[in-house]
Amino acid sequence: SQTIHQWPATLVQPVGSPLSLECTVEGTSNPNLYWYRQAAGRGLQLLFYSVGIGQISSEVPQNLSASRPQDRQFILSSKKLLLSDSGFYLCAWAGDEETQYFGPGTRLLVL
Amino acid sequence: SQQGEEDPQALSIQEGENATMNCSYKTSINNLQWYRQNSGRGLVHLILIRSNEREKHSGRLRVTLDTSKKSSSLLITASRAADTASYFCATDLSYGQNFVFGPGTRLSVLP
Repeated sequence: SQTIHQWPATLVQPVGSPLSLECTVEGTSNPNLYWYRQAAGRGLQLLFYSVGIGQISSEVPQNLSASRPQDRQFILSSKKLLLSDSGFYLCAWAGDEETQYFGPGTRLLVL
Repeated sequence: SQQGEEDPQALSIQEGENATMNCSYKTSINNLQWYRQNSGRGLVHLILIRSNEREKHSGRLRVTLDTSKKSSSLLITASRAADTASYFCATDLSYGQNFVFGPGTRLSVLP
């Protein structure tokens, strides 16, 4: 069966520090991968999606970037965090059936 | 306003009652999906309805889709305390490459 992992589960970072969040998927090949951000009590904002290795589409211009170095690995990065980057970050994958399967999320607090 | 918007924003009912949530969207869609999120967790897929379908059932869930009105509804029958969660509709604009989530409905089922 397929599983999706995200780490870390929580992260507290100072403003201006770098960020690296990792997402890996097991049990499937060539998935579509997604990064979302969710503000407290709000819906999800699609940040990036990827249909293959090295292929990244950005939905919202910002100081975040994403990379897909391997088929089942998706990384969200920033060189310098802003206060507004705080939120709940969710990784998801989708296969042919178009349903998205979400990871447990990373709660990021930028101070 | 957003592509997908749920209504109401919050709903509080007694155990055993039915809960109805609505979702409106603006553009043509490939399919519409409903997801559930327990507090601080990832989203879980509930049901997918395609643009050529009008109604779909899954256990205690009933989803309708009216493409002429660009709206969908999610009905949870005989609600339980464990149904307490946030419910999101998501519209798939481009065959799995562009999902848009609404802000969600927070459902509280009181025992």
